[in-house]
Amino acid sequence: GAVVSQHPSWVICKSGTSVKIECRSLDFQATTMFWYRQFPKQSLMLMATSNEGSKATYEQGVEKDKFLINHASLTLSTLTVTSAHPEDSSFYICSALPTGRVDEQFFGPGTRLTVL
Amino acid sequence: GQQVMQIPQYQHVQEGEDFTTYCNSSTTLSNIQWYKQRPGGHPVFLIQLVKSGEVKKQKRLTFQFGEAKKNSSLHITATQTTDVGTYFCAGGNNAGGTSYGKLTFGQGTILTVHP
Repeated sequence: GAVVSQHPSWVICKSGTSVKIECRSLDFQATTMFWYRQFPKQSLMLMATSNEGSKATYEQGVEKDKFLINHASLTLSTLTVTSAHPEDSSFYICSALPTGRVDEQFFGPGTRLTVL
Repeated sequence: GQQVMQIPQYQHVQEGEDFTTYCNSSTTLSNIQWYKQRPGGHPVFLIQLVKSGEVKKQKRLTFQFGEAKKNSSLHITATQTTDVGTYFCAGGNNAGGTSYGKLTFGQGTILTVHP
C-alpha cells in the first residue's frame, strides 16, 4: 500500500529557532501534498497545499513567511517553521495525493513539535 | 469559506450498540470522504462518496451522502472495541486549480466503546 513518511516524528526546539519537517511519499508520486495542523482532540486544520514545482497555496490566516513550504520533487515536500514560538507547538501532519488520483489522500504519521 | 460541521463531538457506547456521526457542509460538495484516526495515530482513509444520495457499505459501516451533497453520515452497526477512535468527515470541493484535492475536515467524533 501507499506509504507516507514524516521526519522527524517529534522535535523539541528553543524559541526563535527554525525547524524543518519532511514529508515523503515512499512508493508513489504525489504532485500535490497537503500540510495540516492538529491540536489535541481537535480536527485537522489545513495550512497549505503544496504543489510540485510551484508555489504553495496557503489557507487564510496562515503566514507564508512563518511556514515555508518547498515541494522540490514528486516525492518530497518540506515544511519549515521559522522563528518558532511556543504557540507553534502542535502536531503537524502531511498528506499526499497520488498523481492522477482525486480521492484517497495518504497521511503521514505526523510530527510533534514542542517549542520551549 | 467552506465549513464542515460534525456531530456529536463525543459518543460513548456499550459494545454491541449502534453509532452514528453526522456531517453538514455550508456549501455543496464535490465529494465527501471519511477517515478514522486511532488514538496516537494518523487519519486513515475509509471511503469517498461522490454521487448525490449515494450509499456505500463496508461490513458494519454504512456511509450516506445527502441528495443535496451537503450532508453525510456514517453509521456503525453493533460496535466493537476495535471501532474506538475519532471519525472525521472531510468535504472536497474540486473547483479546479489550487482547490484540487483540497479537503475541509469536520471536527471529528470521538467514539469510545465500553466492553
